[in-house]
Amino acid sequence: DVKVTQSSRYLVKRTGEKVFLECVQDMDHENMFWYRQDPGLGLRLIYFSYDVKMKEKGDIPEGYSVSREKKERFSLILESASTNQTSMYLCASSGFLAKPSSRDRELFFGEGSRLTVL
Amino acid sequence: AQSVTQPDIHITVSEGASLELRCNYSYGATPYLFWYVQSPGQGLQLLLKYFSGDTLVQGIKGFEAEFKRSQSSFNLRKPSVHWSDAAEYFCAVGQTSYDKVIFGPGTSLSVIP
Repeated sequence: DVKVTQSSRYLVKRTGEKVFLECVQDMDHENMFWYRQDPGLGLRLIYFSYDVKMKEKGDIPEGYSVSREKKERFSLILESASTNQTSMYLCASSGFLAKPSSRDRELFFGEGSRLTVL
Repeated sequence: AQSVTQPDIHITVSEGASLELRCNYSYGATPYLFWYVQSPGQGLQLLLKYFSGDTLVQGIKGFEAEFKRSQSSFNLRKPSVHWSDAAEYFCAVGQTSYDKVIFGPGTSLSVIP
């Protein structure tokens, strides 16, 4: 089974702190994604990556950065946390969706990291 | 720009009744389409997906969805709802050029016994 592991389930940080959210997948997936989930807004894409060291902005990248130094790991960084970044953060991975033979043509999600910024 | 709308924020149905959840997308080419479900306190689970071929797609838990290119829609249906179907449902769209996947705002489903 595909496993996507997010390092922290719950975090509490202070305004201005630097925050690292780590995500690791064990299926050799090319794509990795970071979303935030807020009530009434659904999942909003922050950043995604389709290869090592490659990244693309999603719909709400402001205030965030990402790092993908290894294929299995995708990190989300909040350089200076603010209260409006209090949210549930979801990491996901997938194979290349366009490949007809891709076995994992769907997104697999981690359990989420609930971040509270005080 | 790519976008997904789910016009119904909240739907309440009686157990045993039929269900249809609406999803509309905006994307120029043929998209990849997904429906995910999230039960309270749980992670996201894939119900079904459409990539190509037959426009009526069968999924898990008795759900199906129909891709209608002319209406840019991918509505989710179930003929008879069970109380355990109460959850949040998300429609998602992926681009065929590269794998950016966008989710809609979700529809919350309540089931009356």
